[in-house]
Amino acid sequence: DTGVSQNPRHKITKRGQNVTFRCDPISEHNRLYWYRQTLGQGPEFLTYFQNEAQLEKSRLLSDRFSAERPKGSFSTLEIQRTEQGDSAMYLCASSLGQIPDTQYFGPGTRLTVL
Amino acid sequence: DQQVKQNSPSLSVQEGRISILNCDYTNSMFDYFLWYKKYPAEGPTFLISISSIKDKNEDGRFTVFLNKSAKHLSLHIVPSQPGDSAVYFCAASVIGAGNMLTFGGGTRLMVKP
Repeated sequence: DTGVSQNPRHKITKRGQNVTFRCDPISEHNRLYWYRQTLGQGPEFLTYFQNEAQLEKSRLLSDRFSAERPKGSFSTLEIQRTEQGDSAMYLCASSLGQIPDTQYFGPGTRLTVL
Repeated sequence: DQQVKQNSPSLSVQEGRISILNCDYTNSMFDYFLWYKKYPAEGPTFLISISSIKDKNEDGRFTVFLNKSAKHLSLHIVPSQPGDSAVYFCAASVIGAGNMLTFGGGTRLMVKP
């Protein structure tokens, strides 16, 4: 069990550029979640997948954000036309989808938009 | 609206003493609660959880208490150790409704040797 991994760990980009992050969940975990954390705040839910199906999206997820989990394993989160307000830590978590359920987090990708 | 609140942004405790971290929630639909610990530049690490059918859950030095009528939970760490110094987040979810977590703002715990 290697835990949840995220790449890259850090990303610096210029405003208006597109960025893509990757998350590899714990194997056999069928649920995958994306959260965003800004300085001094707790993580905020963005979206989640049950296998390859995206089942819920937060209103925080503007139309510039898109997430995929094509084969029910790894997931990508893309932000188009980045804005300075997108600067945050993007966290991925996975879980077995049990009742109740415990989510295990990756190390996060820190995005800085200049 | 903040559905989960941690009103103490920081807490300082002497090594060996008890640390008590508090969390309040407003959404009565929440029925599963978790505590996570976070070190700088790392993701949150799961510590302990409790479902609403219980009022206490213990795991080693960590105990979580749930008071449903007051919509309040607390995490007790006994004895506190310097390695416990981190930011602690409480989180809440509704079982069976996607289990999306709603987090509090965190409490920074500093355990002094």
